Amino acid sequence: DTGVSQNPRHKITKRGQNVTFRCDPISEHNRLYWYRQTLGQGPEFLTYFQNEAQLEKSRLLSDRFSAERPKGSFSTLEIQRTEQGDSAMYLCASSLASGGVGNEQFFGPGTRLTVL
Amino acid sequence: GDSVTQMEGPVTLSEEAFLTINCTYTATGYPSLFWYVQYPGEGLQLLLKATKADDKGSNKGFEATYRKETTSFHLEKGSVQVSDSAVYFCALSSGTGRRALTFGSGTRLQVQP
Repeated sequence: DTGVSQNPRHKITKRGQNVTFRCDPISEHNRLYWYRQTLGQGPEFLTYFQNEAQLEKSRLLSDRFSAERPKGSFSTLEIQRTEQGDSAMYLCASSLASGGVGNEQFFGPGTRLTVL
Repeated sequence: GDSVTQMEGPVTLSEEAFLTINCTYTATGYPSLFWYVQYPGEGLQLLLKATKADDKGSNKGFEATYRKETTSFHLEKGSVQVSDSAVYFCALSSGTGRRALTFGSGTRLQVQP
C-alpha cells in the first residue's frame, strides 16, 4: 500500500465554479478525515467519517462544502460556488478505529486549491 | 475549546546544536499529544506521540514529554542535522472522544551546515 492518495494535486478555478477533490485512504483504515491548511498555519479540521457515516463536522464546513464517503472507502469533498477565501491546501488523513484517541492519522499529500 | 500554541519560527540553528521547540496546550479532559513534521515537498508525518501524563515520546533522536502540570509538550533533540530542516507541528486529540486533531501553527526549523 502506498499510503493516502489525493487527486488532483493542484486545482485552479475561477470564483463561482464548483470543485471536487478525491481522497483514497489506506485500505484497512475505516476512519477518514478532511482538514484545510492555509499558508503559515496548521491544518484545521473540517470533517470525519467512520466507514460511510459522517460523524463530525466543523463550523468551518459551510453550506457550500459537502463531503461523502459512499462505500466507506474513498471520499470526495465538493466546494460549490468557490470564493477566493477557499484557496488553501486540502488535506485528507486516515486511521484505524481501534486504539482510542492516540491512533495515528496518516496524511495524504494534499490538494492545493487556488481560486482566481 | 481546544488549542495549541507553538513558538514562532523560523528557528535557525547550526548543525549539531541543541533544539527545543516549545508547545503548550489547552484541552478538555486528558488529551493525547503529537508532533508531526512536514519536510519540504512532502506530506505531514507523525514524528512522535504521548497518550498520558509523564509519557515520553521519542523517534529519530527527537523527544517530548507530556507535562500535565504545565500543559506542555516541548520537542527536543540533542544534535540537529541539516536533514532535520522542516516544519514541525504540535497537535492534540481531545480527551473528550473527539477524533479531530487540533494543530498549532507550526515552527519552521532551518539547520545550517
